[in-house]
Amino acid sequence: AQTVTQSQPEMSVQEAETVTLSCTYDTSESDYYLFWYKQPPSRQMILVIRQEAYKQQNATENRFSVNFQKAAKSFSLKISDSQLGDAAMYFCAYRSGLRPAGTASKLTFGTGTRLQVTL
Amino acid sequence: NAGVTQTPKFRILKIGQSMTLQCTQDMNHNYMYWYRQDPGMGLKLIYYSVGAGITDKGEVPNGYNVSRSTTEDFPLRLELAAPSQTSVYFCATSYGGFGEKLFFGSGTQLSVL
Repeated sequence: AQTVTQSQPEMSVQEAETVTLSCTYDTSESDYYLFWYKQPPSRQMILVIRQEAYKQQNATENRFSVNFQKAAKSFSLKISDSQLGDAAMYFCAYRSGLRPAGTASKLTFGTGTRLQVTL
Repeated sequence: NAGVTQTPKFRILKIGQSMTLQCTQDMNHNYMYWYRQDPGMGLKLIYYSVGAGITDKGEVPNGYNVSRSTTEDFPLRLELAAPSQTSVYFCATSYGGFGEKLFFGSGTQLSVL
């Protein structure tokens, strides 16, 4: 079974600075997807960024980028120019790319990292 | 542009009571999911559906039932509520069943006392 580990329960960053959130995962599969989801106080989960395992290039979405190290099974999220609105819980998640027809693959979540943004 | 709508947002149940959490989507997505989020934990999959009339168990299905009679609706039924079912429940949808983005509702906070 796949597992996702986020070893930083809480992180803090000053506004306009850069912060990196860590995530490691364990899998024997070669085809999979990795995600970072943000959960603000409103509770609704929002996709931040997505990475396909077969792509060597790291995904980037505006101020958010990832460092995907497939051999090390590491998938960290870098937030540049941090803003107050970035304060939230961040969840790393794994999803298999292989499932029998007519089914859906399970999204496995880590336990989350709470990010505080200070002035 | 409603997306995924969950009702109610909050609910308190007594042990042994039953209730249905509602989830409706207007994105015409075939795949729908129910997750629960316990304090300090990530989300765990309860049930999912790949289309109307088709449902399947996730990681933690015990104590729950689902049905999918239409593309839009995917209600989650709790029978004989127990304190262990105190959690935040999220409904989500996706266009496909693999690497696609999930769209989440805003959650239902349920307490069983």
